[in-house]
Amino acid sequence: GAVVSQHPSRVICKSGTSVKIECRSLDFQATTMFWYRQFPKQSLMLMATSNEGSKATYEQGVEKDKFLINHASLTLSTLTVTSAHPEDSSFYICSATGNLRPQQYFGPGTRLTVT
Amino acid sequence: AQKVTQAQTEISVVEKEDVTLDCVYETRDTTYYLFWYKQPPSGELVFLIRRNSFDEQNEISGRYSWNFQKSTSSFNFTITASQVVDSAVYFCALSETYSGAGSYQLTFGKGTKLSVIP
Repeated sequence: GAVVSQHPSRVICKSGTSVKIECRSLDFQATTMFWYRQFPKQSLMLMATSNEGSKATYEQGVEKDKFLINHASLTLSTLTVTSAHPEDSSFYICSATGNLRPQQYFGPGTRLTVT
Repeated sequence: AQKVTQAQTEISVVEKEDVTLDCVYETRDTTYYLFWYKQPPSGELVFLIRRNSFDEQNEISGRYSWNFQKSTSSFNFTITASQVVDSAVYFCALSETYSGAGSYQLTFGKGTKLSVIP
């Protein structure tokens, strides 16, 4: 089956610093990657969609200057939370699809805590 | 616009009871996919099933079964003889078919938290 990894699994950072989360598709080429945010006891909310080599498409209400997404290769997408604040503390999940993989495959998630 | 409704926020059952999780969806597409995911306390989403809109056959996988009814736009999930390990949040999701950039975008329901009591 398709495997998607995320790194780190947990991160604690101080307010005002930036944090980078990596999402990798390990055994297939991910033409499209998605980033979600999940607050406690809530559902997954799509933040942005990125296609390899293109700028990400952000959902309404998501600040593109704060959540920088780079999808530079067919196996790697990164999400950088810039100038993180405590309200950015959340569970961030990525997923990937490929031309031969007609569904989203999810990473294990990254729990971000901003102190 | 697509919408997925999971009306049950939380359900508690005693071990070995059967439990059904409801999912109702809305879409204007004639071709779409429906999914169920399990999210245990660890947080990682576990894929359970994908069903396309043209396949209304019910499916059974071990203790799990799914009832897809297009007439009522429902895709319900039943766990038979529930076990403590089934305790998790279960999400129903809907995806349109491939349409270029942003393809296979998922719309999630709010989830149902299932607690199986020993």
